[in-house]
Amino acid sequence: EADIYQTPRYLVIGTGKKITLECSQTMGHDKMYWYQQDPGMELHLIHYSYGVNSTEKGDLSSESTVSRIRTEHFPLTLESARPSHTSQYLCASSEGGAYNSPLHFGNGTRLTVT
Amino acid sequence: KQEVTQIPAALSVPEGENLVLNCSFTDSAIYNLQWFRQDPGKGLTSLLLIQSSQREQTSGRLNASLDKSSGRSTLYIAASQPGDSATYLCAVSNDYKLSFGAGTTVTVRA
Repeated sequence: EADIYQTPRYLVIGTGKKITLECSQTMGHDKMYWYQQDPGMELHLIHYSYGVNSTEKGDLSSESTVSRIRTEHFPLTLESARPSHTSQYLCASSEGGAYNSPLHFGNGTRLTVT
Repeated sequence: KQEVTQIPAALSVPEGENLVLNCSFTDSAIYNLQWFRQDPGKGLTSLLLIQSSQREQTSGRLNASLDKSSGRSTLYIAASQPGDSATYLCAVSNDYKLSFGAGTTVTVRA
C-alpha cells in the first residue's frame, strides 16, 4: 500500500476562511499532483510538481495555490474559501512521470464550505 | 483535448459472473492507460498500467486490454466477488498528466 497521507479527512469551514490541505508522502517520489473530484465525475488536475521548488497549474482553473519546499510535502492553500470550493481533493505522487509510472493516491480531503 | 468515457456508469452482477468494463478515449496519441479502483470515501488504488506499446496486462483475476488505434480499453475481472464492489476508473496519459473517465460503479451481489 502506498504511503501518502492527507489531512484533514473532512473539513467544514465558513466562507472567507483561509485553509491549507496537507499532503505528505514517504516514498521519495519527485512527482506530486492535486486533483479535484466531484461525486460521480472525473478527476481534474489542479496543480502538479516535478520536484522541489517546481509547481505548475493543471487543467482546471483553481483559486488555490501550492508549494513544494520539501520532496515529501505538497500542501494546497485556499486564501479565501467559497461554497464553490466544496469538493473532494485528492493528492497523488508517482516515481516517474504520469507517462510511465502508476500514480499513488491519498485518501482525500472532503471539503465543505458553508 | 482528451475525452475519456466509461459506459455504463453503473453495473450490478451476481457473484461469480465475469465483469467487463469499458473505457474509450478520443486522442490515440497516448503514453499509457491506467485502471484504478476507488472505494467509497477513499482515494484511488492503481490496478494495472498498460504502456502504449502493449496490448494487454494481467494481474491475478484482472486483465486489461488496449486497442490504441480504436481508442478503447477493456478491463476484465474474472469470477467476481462481493469485495470487487467499487468504482473503477480509467485514465490515459498524453504527456505530463492523466485524463480520467467518470468511472463505472460495480456492485457484486452475494
